[in-house]
Amino acid sequence: DGGITQSPKYLFRKEGQNVTLSCEQNLNHDAMYWYRQDPGQGLRLIYYSQIVNDFQKGDIAEGYSVSREKKESFPLTVTSAQKNPTAFYLCASSISFTGELFFGEGSRLTVL
Amino acid sequence: GDSVTQMEGPVTLSEEAFLTINCTYTATGYPSLFWYVQYPGEGLQLLLKATKADDKGSNKGFEATYRKETTSFHLEKGSVQVSDSAVYFCALTLSNDYKLSFGAGTTVTVRA
Repeated sequence: DGGITQSPKYLFRKEGQNVTLSCEQNLNHDAMYWYRQDPGQGLRLIYYSQIVNDFQKGDIAEGYSVSREKKESFPLTVTSAQKNPTAFYLCASSISFTGELFFGEGSRLTVL
Repeated sequence: GDSVTQMEGPVTLSEEAFLTINCTYTATGYPSLFWYVQYPGEGLQLLLKATKADDKGSNKGFEATYRKETTSFHLEKGSVQVSDSAVYFCALTLSNDYKLSFGAGTTVTVRA
């Protein structure tokens, strides 16, 4: 079945550590996205990528980094510079940009 | 900037009740409008969309009409079921813009 796979589903991190969240899609979509979800705040865009080897900052990119070396993969690194990293992270993809996004099941990061 | 405002929850209903979730938007151009739904423990999935004024999106018994004069896209369902319990997000995007702006989400709980 085609879809988006995020891993790990749950992740615990100590302060000062970088962590990388994986996102893989087999939908052959060109565009991929990372969103952060916090209670009562909806979803906020961290980074997005329209094509391989290219990506742009979203609204809250500070403290995060991404790469897009393959069409299928768009990993997100949460660095120690991110002041409040505890959140639910959602990866998504789309064929082009029509607003119709396909989402993964999310990764919940907790900083201890 | 472009934004979406949706009614705050949580909303609790009995089965077969009528559901309305209000959504209004602010945009500099002519956006496309969407409703996404997030079931417990899952990522978001597209529920319905409308791309121009007076369009009506519908899916799974849910409907929403794009009202340019009131800048609104309210979600309605005539008879809810327990399985409709979820978080509902209103969202918009402008043409040629890779950003999808989400509202804060409305949690709906349907009791048997």
